[in-house]
Amino acid sequence: AQKITQTQPGMFVQEKEAVTLDCTYDTSDQSYGLFWYKQPSSGEMIFLIYQGSYDEQNATEGRYSLNFQKARKSANLVISASQLGDSAMYFCAMRDRGFGGATNKLIFGTGTLLAVQP
Amino acid sequence: DAGVIQSPRHEVTEMGQEVTLRCKPISGHNSLFWYRQTMMRGLELLIYFNNNVPIDDSGMPEDRFSAKMPNASFSTLKIQPSEPRDSAVYFCASRPGDQYSNQPQHFGDGTRLSIL
Repeated sequence: AQKITQTQPGMFVQEKEAVTLDCTYDTSDQSYGLFWYKQPSSGEMIFLIYQGSYDEQNATEGRYSLNFQKARKSANLVISASQLGDSAMYFCAMRDRGFGGATNKLIFGTGTLLAVQP
Repeated sequence: DAGVIQSPRHEVTEMGQEVTLRCKPISGHNSLFWYRQTMMRGLELLIYFNNNVPIDDSGMPEDRFSAKMPNASFSTLKIQPSEPRDSAVYFCASRPGDQYSNQPQHFGDGTRLSIL
């Protein structure tokens, strides 16, 4: 079964510093996708960045980048120049094709709560 | 563009009452998902529709839960009768493409449900 592991329940970072949020995954599929979502205290889920298993380059979206190490099965999120508004829960997720490949749902890790300090 | 719209944002009701959660997906998105988020179980998929057809409902907890998608722009999740353990945040998400799509799912703001 596919699985996402986020080992950091909480992280602190100083404003303007960079921070790395860890994510490891387990899958037997050759083709898969990895996603990061942000959930602020207001509760909504915000899509941040996507990495496909066949993408040769690490994904980047503004201040977000994904450190994708396929052999290690890790897909860590790097946030550069942290801002106070980055304080939130961050979820790593993987596309799960489900039984028979019909579903394409997301399975989520347990999340990392990031606190940006001024 | 309007995102995924869920209503109500908050619902507080007594045990045994019927609860109906509503979702309007992003126009043009043909995949729709209902998730539930709790502290104990995290985010888990309840049901997935593609082109208005339920494809995977293996996450629906029990017969008290039902979901419909009568057309491409509307879906409901119903709980009848509701129980305190159903208290959670319920998210609706939509995505373009079919079951093989790598497009991200876009989530609504969620419905925070409290069953007393």
